[in-house]
Amino acid sequence: SQTIHQWPATLVQPVGSPLSLECTVEGTSNPNLYWYRQAAGRGLQLLFYSVGIGQISSEVPQNLSASRPQDRQFILSSKKLLLSDSGFYLCAWSVQGPGEQYFGPGTRLTVT
Amino acid sequence: GQNIDQPTEMTATEGAIVQINCTYQTSGFNGLFWYQQHAGEAPTFLSYNVLDGLEEKGRFSSFLSRSKGYSYLLLKELQMKDSASYLCAVRDTYGQNFVFGPGTRLSVLP
Repeated sequence: SQTIHQWPATLVQPVGSPLSLECTVEGTSNPNLYWYRQAAGRGLQLLFYSVGIGQISSEVPQNLSASRPQDRQFILSSKKLLLSDSGFYLCAWSVQGPGEQYFGPGTRLTVT
Repeated sequence: GQNIDQPTEMTATEGAIVQINCTYQTSGFNGLFWYQQHAGEAPTFLSYNVLDGLEEKGRFSSFLSRSKGYSYLLLKELQMKDSASYLCAVRDTYGQNFVFGPGTRLSVLP
């Protein structure tokens, strides 16, 4: 069966510090991978998605970036965090064909 | 453009039936999805409709009308643990992108 991992679960970082969040998927090959952010009490905002290694589509221009160095690994980064980057970050995967997405457990980021 | 609408909040009584509506206007369509999200947790997949009609899964059913850009999630025999946000999402024509609605927060009262 497929599983998706995210770490860390929680993170408190000062403004201006760098960020690296990692997501890995097990039990499937060539998945689509996604990064979402959810501000407190709000809906899901798609940040990036990837259909293959090295292929990244950005949905929202901002100070975040994403990379996919391996088929089942997706990394979200920032060189300098802003207060507005605080939120619940969710990684998700789906198959290339029709079907649903599955979410990882999420990382709760607080920028102070 | 992409637009998905859902009621912000709903309240229902334990044991009752509740219907959560979702309307969408998207540039493409390749399936409609419902997710449940408990406070502080990640969304979990509930149901998937790609053709018109009703899909039933135990206490949960989901309906789709593509011509009307409309779906609903029906929850029967409500339990306290059903208190959560319910997210409607549409997958685009090319199948790579999912657009989520703002979510409906459901409170189940004893």
